[in-house]
Amino acid sequence: NAGVTQTPKFQVLKTGQSMTLQCAQDMNHNSMYWYRQDPGMGLRLIYYSASEGTTDKGEVPNGYNVSRLNKREFSLRLESAAPSQTSVYFCASSEALGGFTDTQYFGPGTRLTVL
Amino acid sequence: KQEVTQIPAALSVPEGENLVLNCSFTDSAIYNLQWFRQDPGKGLTSLLLIQSSQREQTSGRLNASLDKSSGRSTLYIAASQPGDSATYLCAVSNQGGKLIFGQGTELSVKP
Repeated sequence: NAGVTQTPKFQVLKTGQSMTLQCAQDMNHNSMYWYRQDPGMGLRLIYYSASEGTTDKGEVPNGYNVSRLNKREFSLRLESAAPSQTSVYFCASSEALGGFTDTQYFGPGTRLTVL
Repeated sequence: KQEVTQIPAALSVPEGENLVLNCSFTDSAIYNLQWFRQDPGKGLTSLLLIQSSQREQTSGRLNASLDKSSGRSTLYIAASQPGDSATYLCAVSNQGGKLIFGQGTELSVKP
């Protein structure tokens, strides 16, 4: 039981490049989330998926897209990376449908630098 | 708009001391409150979740209390150990809303 896994662990991009961050959970959870963590700003929600087949915007969705590929996987895509997207990205999941009502389990994070 | 504040931002204590971390929130209409631990360079680990109808939750040496009316929660750590050194984050969920995080308290327990 690996919990929540994220790939890659580290990534360096040039401005304008695109990439997809992968997240998978093996706990049969219904809800999944993407957060970014920045010094002085704390953790902020980018997008979430309250059930398989649905996605919704969080606090800071601009510049990102997401795909809930199946119940296990939730990917985050940067179409044209900008230096302001340099951050640590965390994926999380929770059991309940609808999101935010129960304990969230976090992955180890992806450290992204955009030059 | 819900805002979550954690004071102090950093705390250093000698091993064996009992300590309290504070979390305050501006909107008392919360669904639940969660406390997390984050080790340097790692993800978050959930410690305790308190539903809005509950007053406290306990797990081992940790006890979290919730006072919705005053917009406050405390995380009590008994007999602190160097292994407790980490950043502690609280987060609140409003009815139908998102999880809003505080900035965290960085705890250092000195041997």
